[in-house]
Amino acid sequence: NAGVTQTPKFQVLKTGQSMTLQCAQDMNHNSMYWYRQDPGMGLRLIYYSASEGTTDKGEVPNGYNVSRLNKREFSLRLESAAPSQTSVYFCASSGRTSVMSASRDTQYFGPGTRLTVL
Amino acid sequence: QKEVEQNSGPLSVPEGAIASLNCTYSDRGSQSFFWYRQYSGKSPELIMFIYSNGDKEDGRFTAQLNKASQYVSLLIRDSQPSDSATYLCAVNNRKTSYDKVIFGPGTSLSVIP
Repeated sequence: NAGVTQTPKFQVLKTGQSMTLQCAQDMNHNSMYWYRQDPGMGLRLIYYSASEGTTDKGEVPNGYNVSRLNKREFSLRLESAAPSQTSVYFCASSGRTSVMSASRDTQYFGPGTRLTVL
Repeated sequence: QKEVEQNSGPLSVPEGAIASLNCTYSDRGSQSFFWYRQYSGKSPELIMFIYSNGDKEDGRFTAQLNKASQYVSLLIRDSQPSDSATYLCAVNNRKTSYDKVIFGPGTSLSVIP
């Protein structure tokens, strides 16, 4: 199993450009999340999806949109990138698992996307 | 008051010592508590979770939970240089319809050989 995968790993944009960050998980999890991580700020939730077909705003949703394409995939779109969106973006998933050492709430993270907006 | 608070550090301990990482949370309804480790440039990975008051041990790691004091800690015994990382405390309140987890800002740990 690949777990949670994200593409791309690195991206440089100019202000005003748009792009979509892709995320996929193969653990059959219902819940998926997008976070951003900035120095000294910890992980901040942008959007989440509790199940296929549903999405809701997190703590910092402005400037972003999401799509839960199916149970596996959850994409994050920046319509008009701004320098304030320079960050590391993590996708995560959680759900029922057969792994005894984990709990339903355990979040599994992708490798991250380092985004720079000039 | 932030929902989940941690000392940002850096916390420096000598190799072989006990590292103690602390976390407080504001919502008394919180039910699940997690410690994640994040190496520089990598994604967070789960170390331990705890639901009930008291201690939970896993190898060199012990999580301690005190719901009355709204406090959760992580002890790392016999600290190794490979333990040098940022440790994120996370708290889940299942009052919401989804598994919303709030992360603290993290504590940077440095284990000195």
